[in-house]
Amino acid sequence: DIQMTQSPSSVSASVGDRVTITCRTSQVIASWLAWYQQKPGKAPKLLIFRASTLQTGVPSRFSGSGSGTDFSLTISSLQPEDFATYYCQQANTFPWTFGLGTKVEIK
Amino acid sequence: EVQVVESGGDLVKPGGSLRLSCAVSGFTFSDAWLAWVRQAPGKGLEWVGRIRSKSDDGTVEYSAPVKGRFTISRDDSKNTLYLQMNSLKTDDTAVYYCSTYDSGGSGAFDFWGQGTMVTVSS
Repeated sequence: DIQMTQSPSSVSASVGDRVTITCRTSQVIASWLAWYQQKPGKAPKLLIFRASTLQTGVPSRFSGSGSGTDFSLTISSLQPEDFATYYCQQANTFPWTFGLGTKVEIK
Repeated sequence: EVQVVESGGDLVKPGGSLRLSCAVSGFTFSDAWLAWVRQAPGKGLEWVGRIRSKSDDGTVEYSAPVKGRFTISRDDSKNTLYLQMNSLKTDDTAVYYCSTYDSGGSGAFDFWGQGTMVTVSS
């Protein structure tokens, strides 16, 4: 199975801060990497697919980059509604796997 | 607008069975690839399985923890996806989400339901 190492597991930040979350995969997955946002009690929401493509309707302060085994999600200027947990996920090889999540908390 | 609505979650004893349903509307269901993802209380997301559209051979893939116990099926005439869960274990306790999987574009889970809770306990 492809292991997804997501870091940090949590980050404390203020409104306006730049936040970067990284995801490293145990095998090369080309660009089959997606990022999701999940708020408490809600379903996940797709933010980024194919490593760097913004899903329709997602604010441009979110961006994704990387390929191969190293990927990142950046929020350029954190907004109050961005406090949530973020997951990376690969769909290159079965079983599809998720990272353990990064909780973005208010500082 | 795409809508995904799961139902069927319940409290069930270990060793029991349960069937979840997922009604999808707002796009051509028969062309859709679909998936189940679960989340145990306080834990992260775990992919359960995926079914292709029948025109793409209808193949189903499962994660190791559920293979042989869970069955994913679809009824394109009812725009509904199913998850038949047998020999349930306490570790299967989770919110179960149904999602669409965009095989031809994003390669990701693009529309999600609100989830349905399955509790396995004696």
